[in-house]
Amino acid sequence: SAVISQKPSRDICQRGTSLTIQCQVDSQVTMMFWYRQQPGQSLTLIATANQGSEATYESGFVIDKFPISRPNLTFSTLTVSNMSPEDSSIYLCSVLENEQFFGPGTRLTVL
Amino acid sequence: KQEVTQIPAALSVPEGENLVLNCSFTDSAIYNLQWFRQDPGKGLTSLLLIQSSQREQTSGRLNASLDKSSGRSTLYIAASQPGDSATYLCAACSSNTGKLIFGQGTTLQVKP
Repeated sequence: SAVISQKPSRDICQRGTSLTIQCQVDSQVTMMFWYRQQPGQSLTLIATANQGSEATYESGFVIDKFPISRPNLTFSTLTVSNMSPEDSSIYLCSVLENEQFFGPGTRLTVL
Repeated sequence: KQEVTQIPAALSVPEGENLVLNCSFTDSAIYNLQWFRQDPGKGLTSLLLIQSSQREQTSGRLNASLDKSSGRSTLYIAASQPGDSATYLCAACSSNTGKLIFGQGTTLQVKP
């Protein structure tokens, strides 16, 4: 099974700033995804991170707000741009290898 | 568009009871269906994975079933314990895109 790490594990940020979250996988994977879990809610898919091309975003999420990089098959970043308190959530990356494996998440609080 | 629904949203039972959590999905073109557990403030723990060609999977006191034709899955927990208290999430993985669509979860409380 894939082992996934995320940095940072948590952060507290000021309104209007941006935060980049890193996701590292211990093996090469084709399918990598970013999810958001707002307080008290379930997980919502933000986008599919495509290696070597632009990410594919779900309805309600746009590249200007959540730019994603996927430079290779083991690494991806998600940036939360121009943050507001509504962006306070847990952000999780996941990979698909017969089943989905999730990173531990990044808990973001925006003041 | 895939939609996943879980019923009930919350459940409280005395210790020792057997219980069933329900999950329904609208698009039967799934690669697999997974059940996860999430403790407060924690990440996701994968409990059971059912491939689209399978009917059920068992792990210890947990049994998950899958009926693609009716768009339903159930998670059966036998002899519940206080340590089973958590939120249980089911998620359907699209066979076309690999995307995992989550239900809203069932929050379970098992009282001693």
